[in-house]
Amino acid sequence: DVKVTQSSRYLVKRTGEKVFLECVQDMDHENMFWYRQDPGLGLRLIYFSYDVKMKEKGDIPEGYSVSREKKERFSLILESASTNQTSMYLCASTAALAGKDTQYFGPGTRLTVL
Amino acid sequence: SQQGEEDPQALSIQEGENATMNCSYKTSINNLQWYRQNSGRGLVHLILIRSNEREKHSGRLRVTLDTSKKSSSLLITASRAADTASYFCATGRGSNYKLTFGKGTLLTVNP
Repeated sequence: DVKVTQSSRYLVKRTGEKVFLECVQDMDHENMFWYRQDPGLGLRLIYFSYDVKMKEKGDIPEGYSVSREKKERFSLILESASTNQTSMYLCASTAALAGKDTQYFGPGTRLTVL
Repeated sequence: SQQGEEDPQALSIQEGENATMNCSYKTSINNLQWYRQNSGRGLVHLILIRSNEREKHSGRLRVTLDTSKKSSSLLITASRAADTASYFCATGRGSNYKLTFGKGTLLTVNP
């Protein structure tokens, strides 16, 4: 059974803190994604990684960075958290195979920045 | 940039009724997918339809795709209270496996 896990379900941080969100998948997928989800805005892609150490900006990368040192792990980093980064963060992965476009999602991390 | 737009934003029906949700998009696509999200959880893939397909079925789900109108519909037949969730369409355009999601339809099925 495919599985994507995220390090925390709920996280509360203070403005200016450095925040790490971790995502691990056990499906040997090449592609991994970080989204944020806000009411009325749907899912928006922050960053995408198509291989170890490879990354590509999504639609809203400002204020975020990512790290992919191992194939199974994709980290989202908020260098200096701000209140407007309070959101639900979702990680997903997919295989790099034609016809295998389905994305598998983790349970999400609800981050509150005070 | 949002590619898919679901309609309606919210839908409330009685158990046993059918639920239809629509998705429109703007540019050409390789495939269109529907996902479901229970409150506060991650998304779960429901069904994928390719640009050269017109209709697809999976259990109580039926998806249609009209590329000339750039639209898709998701029909859930004989709905159950457990179908209560948000439903998102997502479009895939290139070979980079990225998807663009709409804002979702909140479906409430009343027992």
